[in-house]
Amino acid sequence: DTGVSQNPRHKITKRGQNVTFRCDPISEHNRLYWYRQTLGQGPEFLTYFQNEAQLEKSRLLSDRFSAERPKGSFSTLEIQRTEQGDSAMYLCASSPQETQYFGPGTRLLVL
Amino acid sequence: RKEVEQDPGPFNVPEGATVAFNCTYSNSASQSFFWYRQDCRKEPKLLMSVYSSGNEDGRFTAQLNRASQYISLLIRDSKLSDSATYLCVARHYNTDKLIFGTGTRLQVFP
Repeated sequence: DTGVSQNPRHKITKRGQNVTFRCDPISEHNRLYWYRQTLGQGPEFLTYFQNEAQLEKSRLLSDRFSAERPKGSFSTLEIQRTEQGDSAMYLCASSPQETQYFGPGTRLLVL
Repeated sequence: RKEVEQDPGPFNVPEGATVAFNCTYSNSASQSFFWYRQDCRKEPKLLMSVYSSGNEDGRFTAQLNRASQYISLLIRDSKLSDSATYLCVARHYNTDKLIFGTGTRLQVFP
């Protein structure tokens, strides 16, 4: 499978715990994006990397959220001190230029 | 007000029907537009890009009116497999992020 992959696919955690998600983009894509989607809404942009450089962060990305793409390949999104409002689908997308291709997402439930 | 607005539906149509979805955007910095399809509990998948000249892909036709800041998607001869949520998406000229509408849900029944 040469598409975008994300792990884990599901995560249940207790409020206050830290969680980390991983995204492996399509290998030749230098652009990588994170989005969050809640029920009944479209995906909302969180952050964007070109190679290893984080070029934009949404104001939705509070200081509890951090994303990295250390070698310009895979990326991680960490949420510290999770809150119930963090429950959502976290989607990763990659792109060679304009078209973004999405991974299957990580569904997070914070109890 | 959301930057990209869509009627959430649902649109319930019989097989074979023609259905049209509309979308408006408010940011004139939006440069590129797309329709994505999202099945229940799945990731969004690109359906088609949208151009001012209009573009067609089989049973699907998309149209962009920049003066009115209006985008449309027409589906002809609906199939059961067309049942999904259709997301209207804008991309700004000076950034790569996508701005999604809330999506319009389509249910095609036999």
